[in-house]
Amino acid sequence: QSVLTQPPSVSGAPGQRVTISCTGSSSNIGAGYDVHWYQQVPGTAPKLLIFRNTNRPSGVPDRFSGSKSGTSASLAITGLQAEDEADYYCHSYDSSLSPVVFGGGTKLTVL
Amino acid sequence: QVQLQQSGPGLVKPSQTLSLTCAISGDSVYSNIAAWNWLRQSPSRGLEWLGRTYYRTQTRSKWFYDYAPSVKGRLTINPGTSKNQFSLQLNYVTPEDTAVYYCAREGVGLDVWGQGTTVTVSS
Repeated sequence: QSVLTQPPSVSGAPGQRVTISCTGSSSNIGAGYDVHWYQQVPGTAPKLLIFRNTNRPSGVPDRFSGSKSGTSASLAITGLQAEDEADYYCHSYDSSLSPVVFGGGTKLTVL
Repeated sequence: QVQLQQSGPGLVKPSQTLSLTCAISGDSVYSNIAAWNWLRQSPSRGLEWLGRTYYRTQTRSKWFYDYAPSVKGRLTINPGTSKNQFSLQLNYVTPEDTAVYYCAREGVGLDVWGQGTTVTVSS
């Protein structure tokens, strides 16, 4: 089991908006640690999508946005496109057992 | 731009040591702001962080190391001394260690990744 909890799958039609949640605890997200998000197309390495909760690296479309509140964070994707179909992972830090923690990943299907 | 190039064997026998290297270009393993990570991914364990090393000069120049509890005691991450690289050594591997292994730079988030190395543990 992953320290951060993500839904195994989400889906949406082209043009729609979807959100992916990432739920942690008081030792990680709730402790104020940053959350980062990654997109992974099968067969390739993960790619940084959102850093420090809400920031997009250069080249990432503004259709992708991140937020954080309390012990959770969310990734929102608006105007869904077929190319967004991928696995998405959240990443944070923890003050207990392991300093770096990940979510189990969410598979996004574009219908 | 920063690039990471992984090298190492794709097949390791049970109980032996898995060794992988990640060569850095466009940055330095002695960076005072980056950390150098190893992760792995398998269907059964998902994306799993293994450990990292980083160099800091704030008080006195030294290397720091962090390891995941799941591999602590079996894993060693070493920065390169004469080469701009860092390495992974995982001892006493079992079939459970079969995975795609990645190296990654931690700037703000894991912003640069190696290409991945598929490692199979089998006799």
